[in-house]
Order: sequence, then structure tokens, then C-alpha cells
Amino acid sequence: EIVLTQSPGTLSLSPGERATLSCRASQSVSTSLAWYHQKPGQAPRLLIYGASSRATGIPDTFSGSGSGTDFTLTISRLEPEDFAVYYCQQYDSSPLTFGGGTKVEIK
Amino acid sequence: QLQLQESGPGLVKPSETLSLTCTVSGGSISRSSYYWGWVRQPPGKGLEYIASINYSGSTYYNPSLKSRVTISVDTSKKQFSLKLSSVTATDTAVYYCARGSPYDLWGRGTLVTVSS
Repeated sequence: EIVLTQSPGTLSLSPGERATLSCRASQSVSTSLAWYHQKPGQAPRLLIYGASSRATGIPDTFSGSGSGTDFTLTISRLEPEDFAVYYCQQYDSSPLTFGGGTKVEIK
Repeated sequence: QLQLQESGPGLVKPSETLSLTCTVSGGSISRSSYYWGWVRQPPGKGLEYIASINYSGSTYYNPSLKSRVTISVDTSKKQFSLKLSSVTATDTAVYYCARGSPYDLWGRGTLVTVSS
């Protein structure tokens, strides 16, 4: 099973600032890496797939990069609705696995 | 537009079987490129993959749950289902159904509590 490690656990930032989130895989997942965010009481929402492709309706303030074992999600300018928990997920091999999450909170 | 909706009991007794159904509306469940899956989230914790199935019945399971999980699909009803046997309090979670790999569409989730 591929283990995904996300860092940091919590990111405290102000609206308008840039957020950089990391996801590291225990073995290569090529570019089969997705990012989601989840707001309280809601289901996760797909943001990025294929490591760097934005899902439908996701603004260009969100960008993903990386391949192999190291991946980054960047939010170029935080909007109030971006404060949430972010998860990475690999779908290169079964079982699908998720990272533990990074909480982006208002500073 | 396509929507997913989970249904099933919100309370299950320890040692019994949890049964949930996901109904697909606004579209087809039989598109061959899609897998349909279940993910759960214990209160205050992260996401855990449970199992996936496609319209022809090909399945994948999380090895940590495989001995207790059955996933099935009924294309005529546009539904796929999850059964988790011998539940304990650690199976208390919000259970989500979702489409794809990765998951581009999710149900709203349903809280299942395991308690006597």
C-alpha cells in the first residue's frame, strides 16, 4: 500500500496570501495524484487530477505540480472560501490511498 | 446533471452488518470508463478508501477491510451497494459514495453510528 504524507499539518495564513501544500508518496505514483478540499459538513471536492490538471470549475488560483513521489498544491491567493482541509490521493495502484490532510486556517 | 445519493440505516448494532446503497440520478451508471466507489471518514478524521466497482462487476477492495466488505452494482436500478459485516464502534463514520478514479463526483455522505 502506498502511503501519502502531507505537510504541514496546519497552515495559518491570511486572505490574499499564497499557500503551498506538500504531498509525498512512499513510492512512485507517476502523475496519478489528485488533490481535494473539504469544508466542514461537506463532501470533498476534486481540485486537481493528473498531478497538475484542474478539475471542472476550479479557478486558476489553484495549481498542482510534481511527479513520482513529490507533489505540491499551490493556491496563489487565498480567498475566504479556500480555508478548508486539503487531501491528496493517489490512484496509481490499488488500494487507493489518501494523505492525512492539511488544514488551511485563517491566521 | 449526475448526482449521487447515499441511503441506509444511520444506526447499526455492534457485530451486525452495515448496508448502504448509492443511487445514481441524472445519468448512466453503465459507462464503462467509470468506477464507482465508497469512501468513509470517521468523525474528525481523514478519508479512507473502502472499495470500488464498475458496471460489469469488476471490483477492488481495501485489503484492511476486504474480509468484511462486499460491493455490488445493480445497473437496472442505477445503484451500487456496500455491505460491511461484523461492525464495531471503529466503523462509525460518514460514508460517501463517489464516481471515478480520482473521484470527480461525490454524494453528500451519510453518518453511520455503530452502537448498541
